[in-house]
Amino acid sequence: EPEVTQTPSHQVTQMGQEVILRCVPISNHLYFYWYRQILGQKVEFLVSFYNNEISEKSEIFDDQFSVERPDGSNFTLKIRSTKLEDSAMYFCASSAAGTASSYEQYFGPGTRLTVT
Amino acid sequence: KNEVEQSPQNLTAQEGEFITINCSYSVGISALHWLQQHPGGGIVSLFMLSSGKKKHGRLIATINIQEKHSSLHITASHPRDSAVYICAVGSYNTDKLIFGTGTRLQVFP
Repeated sequence: EPEVTQTPSHQVTQMGQEVILRCVPISNHLYFYWYRQILGQKVEFLVSFYNNEISEKSEIFDDQFSVERPDGSNFTLKIRSTKLEDSAMYFCASSAAGTASSYEQYFGPGTRLTVT
Repeated sequence: KNEVEQSPQNLTAQEGEFITINCSYSVGISALHWLQQHPGGGIVSLFMLSSGKKKHGRLIATINIQEKHSSLHITASHPRDSAVYICAVGSYNTDKLIFGTGTRLQVFP
């Protein structure tokens, strides 16, 4: 069964450093998402991406964040200058069509980011 | 007020018990999702529904659109069902999911 994959599974970085989290969505999916979950809190939407551009972003997704689909298979989330409060589990998800069209989202296993 | 509320927050059960987890939402939705988060953190989609009822194995999900309420039932619970169960909704005017805080279920042998 096709699945969403994410690398690395755990990333430790120092405050102020740039990190890139990588995701490989399911191959025929068109919509891609990043979510984060701070330890002990609920999952929060960061950004959705369709047709090579951001379709929606939350207030969390400020200028320190960017997303890219560099090669048609990978989908990346970059944090330019990490802060302690960026420590969280980051989930990538993909769907065949938009959620507003009632399509299921498939989640990756997550990347645990620890900023020290 | 949270747009998606779940109850209870924590639930313990003996193996074999019938489990019900509730979800109420305040926004208009295109679909409601039930997700399972394993102790290691991974998220698995269990159901997506916009009306009525769905069943998969020992899991049953129902939704009442008029009352803006959904329930997830687990019949004959088993220790391997121990996980966090999350309700999330998608709305017509957005492609994002809005998540509840989750219900932590522990099933003891």
